[in-house]
Amino acid sequence: EIVLTQSPGTLSLSPGERATLSCRASQSFSSSYLAWYQQKPGQAPRLLIYGASSRATGIPDRFSGSGSGTDFTLTISRLEPEDFAVYYCQQYGSSPPTFGQGTKVEIK
Amino acid sequence: QLQLQESGPGLVKPSETLSLTCTVSGGSISSSSYYWGWIRQPPGKGLEWIGSINYSGNTYDNPSLKSRVTISVDTSKNQFSLKLSSVTAADTAVYYCARQGQWHSKYFDYWGQGTLVTVSS
Repeated sequence: EIVLTQSPGTLSLSPGERATLSCRASQSFSSSYLAWYQQKPGQAPRLLIYGASSRATGIPDRFSGSGSGTDFTLTISRLEPEDFAVYYCQQYGSSPPTFGQGTKVEIK
Repeated sequence: QLQLQESGPGLVKPSETLSLTCTVSGGSISSSSYYWGWIRQPPGKGLEWIGSINYSGNTYDNPSLKSRVTISVDTSKNQFSLKLSSVTAADTAVYYCARQGQWHSKYFDYWGQGTLVTVSS
């Protein structure tokens, strides 16, 4: 199975700053079948990005995704207070679908 | 608005079978465009996909669970279910059900709120 490694484990930033999260795959997979999710404490994950760069319905444009092959990035252009959460990447180009271990974005 | 809701026992004894049901409302589980999946999250840890099923009963599941998984669908009730056999403490987790696209869209776009299942005697 494809292993996704997210870095950093924790990102300490202030509101208004830019966040750059990385997701690296152990091997290349079909096309850009990568999604990003946001999870807040006690809540289910919420889909942010699919197809590596397409925003899900209702997701603000401060969230953007990029990358291909084995290296993918989620960027939050200007952090809002509600963006402090854990973010997971997921690949669905190879079975079984797998998730990264998560990056926590915390308030500095 | 599509909604999913997990239900089932919150406590299961070791070696027994965990059983959960997901009820879908606001949309039909019989849509040919989707699979319906189970994902779990041990306390304080990351997400693990368990398996998925479509309306006609086609399933696929995570080989890491070593054939302990049975997923079924009841289109008349707009529900799908998970059975995980021979559970141990390592199966303690929040279990989520979610809608998954088919073909080139196998991400999860709608999720239930999750239900905590604890394996303990």
